[in-house]
Amino acid sequence: QVQLAESGGGVVQPGRSLRLSCAASGFAFRNTAMHWVRQAPGKGLEWVAVVSYDGSDQIYADSVKGRFTISRDNSKNVLYLEINNLKSEDTAVYYCARGRQRDYFDLWGQGTLVTVSS
Amino acid sequence: EIVLTQSPATLSVSPGERATLSCRTSQSVNSNLAWYQQTPGQAPRLLIYGSSSRATGVPARFSGSGSGTEFTLTISSLQSEDFAVYSCQQYNNWPLTFGGGTKVEIK
Repeated sequence: QVQLAESGGGVVQPGRSLRLSCAASGFAFRNTAMHWVRQAPGKGLEWVAVVSYDGSDQIYADSVKGRFTISRDNSKNVLYLEINNLKSEDTAVYYCARGRQRDYFDLWGQGTLVTVSS
Repeated sequence: EIVLTQSPATLSVSPGERATLSCRTSQSVNSNLAWYQQTPGQAPRLLIYGSSSRATGVPARFSGSGSGTEFTLTISSLQSEDFAVYSCQQYNNWPLTFGGGTKVEIK
């Protein structure tokens, strides 16, 4: 079954760190660029970051550059997002998504909620 | 950064009627525009890519058009399952950006 499944969200204090994971199955993960997209409560979608198929290249949104790190382990079919120095504005559902062609998203996970609160 | 402006913010439509949603970009994105559908508590679902190509499994009542800076998503005859939020996304330039969404609600 072709699917993505995120994990690792939760309630975290400001300034702390968190690592999100996204397990992929049913498709050739190692051949595909992968993304993280987030959605704050009641708000629209915001693209966060992309990693190339082999992990050699990453691009980040300006809003997260320097605090977020996207990576992947193609031997385990897992995508990661490391978030440091969490801020209240990072509170959102984080989705992993498969990129296609020039990077639209044809497969999404169910999302994992990150809540930054003291 | 390319800004996407969707209109209207909310569209009230009766089942069986036609819905027309607009997405305008702050600079040309050629045909590199996608549309997504999202229902409450669910992940987005790809409907349209390349401005007008339907994704796998998307019913023919969904159609997309436009190029450059003006795009339209049309739902020819709304079904109960179509009441949702629709977002456009450009993938012509980095960073990738989304519109704010149009909520299609039951009239």
